[in-house]
Amino acid sequence: NAGVTQTPKFQVLKTGQSMTLQCAQDMNHNSMYWYRQDPGMGLRLIYYSASEGTTDKGEVPNGYNVSRLNKREFSLRLESAAPSQTSVYFCASSERVRDSPSYEQYFGPGTRLTVT
Amino acid sequence: KNQVEQSPQSLIILEGKNCTLQCNYTVSPFSNLRWYKQDTGRGPVSLTIMTFSENTKSNGRYTATLDADTKQSSLHITASQLSDSASYICVVSSGGGNKLTFGTGTQLKVEL
Repeated sequence: NAGVTQTPKFQVLKTGQSMTLQCAQDMNHNSMYWYRQDPGMGLRLIYYSASEGTTDKGEVPNGYNVSRLNKREFSLRLESAAPSQTSVYFCASSERVRDSPSYEQYFGPGTRLTVT
Repeated sequence: KNQVEQSPQSLIILEGKNCTLQCNYTVSPFSNLRWYKQDTGRGPVSLTIMTFSENTKSNGRYTATLDADTKQSSLHITASQLSDSASYICVVSSGGGNKLTFGTGTQLKVEL
């Protein structure tokens, strides 16, 4: 199993350009997430998808759109990139922990995005 | 507003020594508390998950404790190794368990 994979690993954009960050998981998880990580701040949830065909806003959704293409894939789109979107973006998927009410989240390796 | 605070912000210890990292939280309703390890340039990896009824949980040389009354947790690392150098993030989940509040992490460096 590859787990959670993300592409690209690095990206530099100019202000106003658009791009899509790709995420895929091969663990058959229902739930998937997009986070951003900024220096001095904890990870913040952008959007999540509880199951195929559904998406919901997280804490910081402005400037982003998402698509849950199928059970495996969850993409994040920046329509018009801004310098404030310079960040490291992590995709995650989750499953219920055996014999527990808790859900375990598995993270991808991240995409480092710079907007100039 | 839900918050998770960690201390210290950074820590340097010698290889073989023990250390303890702290986490205080104000998250409601509480579902569980997790500790993640994040190596530089990588995504976070789960070390432990504890529910309300669990006081302590171990994963190899990592032992996490939880005091739900005082809303505090600690992560104790025994006999540190160079590979323990990483950021350790305390995360508290609320509601249905899938909504996470992340701390900013403690950056640990283990030196020879």
